[in-house]
Amino acid sequence: GENVEQHPSTLSVQEGDSAVIKCTYSDSASNYFPWYKQELGKRPQLIIDIRSNVGEKKDQRIAVTLNKTAKHFSLHITETQPEDSAVYFCAAPKRGSYIPTFGRGTSLIVHP
Amino acid sequence: GAGVSQSPSNKVTEKGKDVELRCDPISGHTALYWYRQSLGQGLEFLIYFQGNSAPDKSGLPSDRFSAERTGGSVSTLTIQRTQQEDSAVYLCASSLVEGRETQYFGPGTRLLVL
Repeated sequence: GENVEQHPSTLSVQEGDSAVIKCTYSDSASNYFPWYKQELGKRPQLIIDIRSNVGEKKDQRIAVTLNKTAKHFSLHITETQPEDSAVYFCAAPKRGSYIPTFGRGTSLIVHP
Repeated sequence: GAGVSQSPSNKVTEKGKDVELRCDPISGHTALYWYRQSLGQGLEFLIYFQGNSAPDKSGLPSDRFSAERTGGSVSTLTIQRTQQEDSAVYLCASSLVEGRETQYFGPGTRLLVL
């Protein structure tokens, strides 16, 4: 079965609010967890990633936290802006390999 | 520098015809991936090439799908006897090494099977 679960599938927030997207994975050996943003009609692009030797990483308004014990990692966006509206995908290595398996995506809508 | 490129950007074909989709990865990237993305859906893994190793074909949905990577660079995804359910955006990505590094995606080929 699927080894990366992503929630929620849609998230609607007001401009300025925070948004949190969570992913769980099944392979405890996984050690690299990227997040990609895909704007409508465009290609996915990496926005932030984290490796298993740290618990949190920040880049301006975005941050990713990793809980290795619980096998989940989360994307946090603060002070959301309309241009943050996009589909966000998490990824974790497919069990037993280095091939990234993507979550089903979260459609984030930021209302002005 | 140049990113990942794909051609054609759009392809319309008739059911039953064969199609070839091309991917030019970033120079020096040893890992190359093909994904399929149906409208409003996630990224479905198809096939993975890493250097000179045998490709991981575990994501190919049927034997109508095949891919090759010549000289460790350009890759071609071939779909034989296309079906309407093959209609999707086909994305190629490359990374410097295998999946523990950033994947850089191409713009995709939008395939429509009539």
